[in-house]
Amino acid sequence: AQTVTQSQPEMSVQEAETVTLSCTYDTSESDYYLFWYKQPPSRQMILVIRQEAYKQQNATENRFSVNFQKAAKSFSLKISDSQLGDAAMYFCAYRSKYTGNQFYFGTGTSLTVIP
Amino acid sequence: DTAVSQTPKYLVTQMGNDKSIKCEQNLGHDTMYWYKQDSKKFLKIMFSYNNKELIINETVPNRFSPKSPDKAHLNLHINSLELGDSAVYFCASSQTGDRHQPQHFGDGTRLSIL
Repeated sequence: AQTVTQSQPEMSVQEAETVTLSCTYDTSESDYYLFWYKQPPSRQMILVIRQEAYKQQNATENRFSVNFQKAAKSFSLKISDSQLGDAAMYFCAYRSKYTGNQFYFGTGTSLTVIP
Repeated sequence: DTAVSQTPKYLVTQMGNDKSIKCEQNLGHDTMYWYKQDSKKFLKIMFSYNNKELIINETVPNRFSPKSPDKAHLNLHINSLELGDSAVYFCASSQTGDRHQPQHFGDGTRLSIL
């Protein structure tokens, strides 16, 4: 089974600064999908950004961007101009393109934004 | 309109009881899931249900049983509740045909066992 690792249980960032959350994964597949989800205290799971493994270009959504390094199996999330509302748990997730249909989640990174 | 809705949001009950959590999605998705989020926030798949095919995670006790009356619903029944079942349970759905599509989550059900 695929595994997803988030090695930073907690991170903090000053408001308006930039922070990078790391994620690595283990797979033998050549094509797959990667996602970042945000879980604020309200408990909702909100999609932040997604990446298709066959696309070399890094995905970007407004202040959120990823650094996808396929050879290194790394998928980090960069949050620019951090805002108080960005404070949440962030989960990295992997989904196979071919087998199974569930997400494999990392253990999450709790992000604190300091005013 | 709520895309994936779970009821109840909170469930407090005694050990040994049987309870159910309901989930409904109005997105027309083919696949639904149940996840368990433990006290350390780790989200783990329990079940996925796709066009009448149920895929069971082997680590899930058989006290847990999903039931899907139709494509839009996947309910979770739990028998003989134990203290270790206390967690937040999330229902989700996705359009299986396009694997790049994200999963849409419900708001979660916090289950507390006394």
